[in-house]
Amino acid sequence: DIQMTQSPSTLSASVGDRVTVTCRASQTISTWLAWYQLKPGQAPKLLIYEASTLESGVPSRFSGSGSGTEFTLTISSLQPDDFATYYCQHYKNFSPTFGQGTKVEIK
Amino acid sequence: QVQLVQSGAEVKEPGASVKVSCKASEYTFTSFYMHWVRQAPGQGLEWMGLIIPLRGGTTYAEKFQGRVTMTRDSSTNTVYMELSGLRSDDTAVYFCARGQGDLTWYDYWGQGSLVTVSS
Repeated sequence: DIQMTQSPSTLSASVGDRVTVTCRASQTISTWLAWYQLKPGQAPKLLIYEASTLESGVPSRFSGSGSGTEFTLTISSLQPDDFATYYCQHYKNFSPTFGQGTKVEIK
Repeated sequence: QVQLVQSGAEVKEPGASVKVSCKASEYTFTSFYMHWVRQAPGQGLEWMGLIIPLRGGTTYAEKFQGRVTMTRDSSTNTVYMELSGLRSDDTAVYFCARGQGDLTWYDYWGQGSLVTVSS
């Protein structure tokens, strides 16, 4: 299986901060990568697909970049609604795997 | 607005089976694939498999082969995920998630169904 490694595991930040989450794949996955936001008790929300395409309706403060094995999710100005856990996911093959998650918490 | 509404929480004994449903609405049911993903307490997300509503074809993650069965009822736009031989480490929230195809991202998710395995 392709292993997806996210860093950091936890990130403490304040409203207005620029936040970056990194996701590394154990082998090249081109741009077959998505990012999701999870909040307790809610359905996960798709943010980014194909590494950098913003899902319709997602605020433009979210952006994704990268290709191959290294990817980033950036929140340009953290808002109160953004405190959540973020996961990357590859979909290169029939064993899609997720990163272990990055919890963005209030500093 | 696309909706995926899942069945409620279940408590099962070890060795039993559980069947979780996911009812889709506000889109053409047979035009998209449905995937199942689970999240154990304090853990990450784990892909379990997919079903193609149009034909009923399935692909299961190797880890769940022989224990999972995914089916659909096109008359009610509902997909089902049945997991047998339940163990304590199957305790998790189970999500259905819509995909454009088999190798894809998931654009809509159900609200999740908590399955607790305990004696």
